[in-house]
Amino acid sequence: EAGVTQFPSHSVIEKGQTVTLRCDPISGHDNLYWYRRVMGKEIKFLLHFVKESKQDESGMPNNRFLAERTGGTYSTLKVQPAELEDSGVYFCASSQDRGTGGNEQFFGPGTRLTVL
Amino acid sequence: AQSVTQLDSQVPVFEEAPVELRCNYSSSVSVYLFWYVQYPNQGLQLLLKYLSGSTLVKGINGFEAEFNKSQTSFHLRKPSVHISDTAEYFCAVSLLIKAAGNKLTFGGGTRVLVKP
Repeated sequence: EAGVTQFPSHSVIEKGQTVTLRCDPISGHDNLYWYRRVMGKEIKFLLHFVKESKQDESGMPNNRFLAERTGGTYSTLKVQPAELEDSGVYFCASSQDRGTGGNEQFFGPGTRLTVL
Repeated sequence: AQSVTQLDSQVPVFEEAPVELRCNYSSSVSVYLFWYVQYPNQGLQLLLKYLSGSTLVKGINGFEAEFNKSQTSFHLRKPSVHISDTAEYFCAVSLLIKAAGNKLTFGGGTRVLVKP
């Protein structure tokens, strides 16, 4: 079974440009999460999809970030326009919804974003 | 709001020696507790989790952790480490409330360097 995949693995862009990150969750996983780790800081929650609906986007830093999950499958996270402080590693995770909580989240390898 | 503190940012340890990684959390409601590991160039992988029941939890690769409710701690231990245990370890919590969506709150991570 394929794990969570993310594309690209690395992205280097200039301030003001646009970047789109993609995440493909494990097939059949309804829950999809985005997290971010800024250098030297802890991994922080950005948002949570259940199928195609945004369940919780309380961690999104501002309106330059837009996440979508078309048809409840893969998800994209667009940053437009990118700023220097957006640099970091963006992780995607997915999990099944068993309704009991404490579900294991399976993480992708992350996308390292560098904004110059 | 909940928070997680990993008391050591780096832990050097000799091969075959024991290691303990400390984790304390703060939350106004009950939580689930997790330890994840990130090997170089890989995503986070679940080592173990505590949902309920026995406070001593055994995970993969010989790791175990003990939940201490009175001290709000969830320390991770391994009696004898291998070179392959060199990685970064993350303690995380999620709230015991389904509406919270199981989003994870992470500690800052502990880098373990196993020396021969």
